[in-house]
Amino acid sequence: SQTIHQWPATLVQPVGSPLSLECTVEGTSNPNLYWYRQAAGRGLQLLFYSVGIGQISSEVPQNLSASRPQDRQFILSSKKLLLSDSGFYLCAWSVFRVPYPHSGNTIYFGEGSWLTVV
Amino acid sequence: RKEVEQDPGPFNVPEGATVAFNCTYSNSASQSFFWYRQDCRKEPKLLMSVYSSGNEDGRFTAQLNRASQYISLLIRDSKLSDSATYLCVGWMDSSYKLIFGSGTRLLVRP
Repeated sequence: SQTIHQWPATLVQPVGSPLSLECTVEGTSNPNLYWYRQAAGRGLQLLFYSVGIGQISSEVPQNLSASRPQDRQFILSSKKLLLSDSGFYLCAWSVFRVPYPHSGNTIYFGEGSWLTVV
Repeated sequence: RKEVEQDPGPFNVPEGATVAFNCTYSNSASQSFFWYRQDCRKEPKLLMSVYSSGNEDGRFTAQLNRASQYISLLIRDSKLSDSATYLCVGWMDSSYKLIFGSGTRLLVRP
């Protein structure tokens, strides 16, 4: 069965410091990978998604970036964190290919990373 | 207008009650829909898919109305453990992006 691992689970970083969150998926190949953010009391915001190695689509212009160095590895980074970057970051995966119908396939989340920028 | 909209609640109901949530979507090209459940400070987890014909899983029933562009979730015989935030989710078959509503919070009291 497929599993997704995300780390670190919790971190407190000062403003202006760098960030690196990592996510890996096991039990499947060539998954679609996603980074979402959820601010306190807010909905999920899609930040990046990737349909293959080196292929990154950015949804929200900001000081974050994503990379996919390996098939099942997805990394979220920042060179300089802002206070507004605080939130709950979630990595997710799915396996389907457009334009083929989703056939009920959906995405599955890792346990998330709580980031507090101070 | 948000692509997927939900009443944020909270819905405060006693144990054993029946509660229903609705969710509206703006993009008529949206093809697939799901309900996720999110517990406090946890990741969202898939609750059930939503089909036009309606589908049922135990105490949970989901329905899709394409003509009116809304989906619903019905929970019968509410349990304390049903307390959570329920997220309505949809996407188009031509996209890799899953669009989440902001969630409806449910509180089931003893």
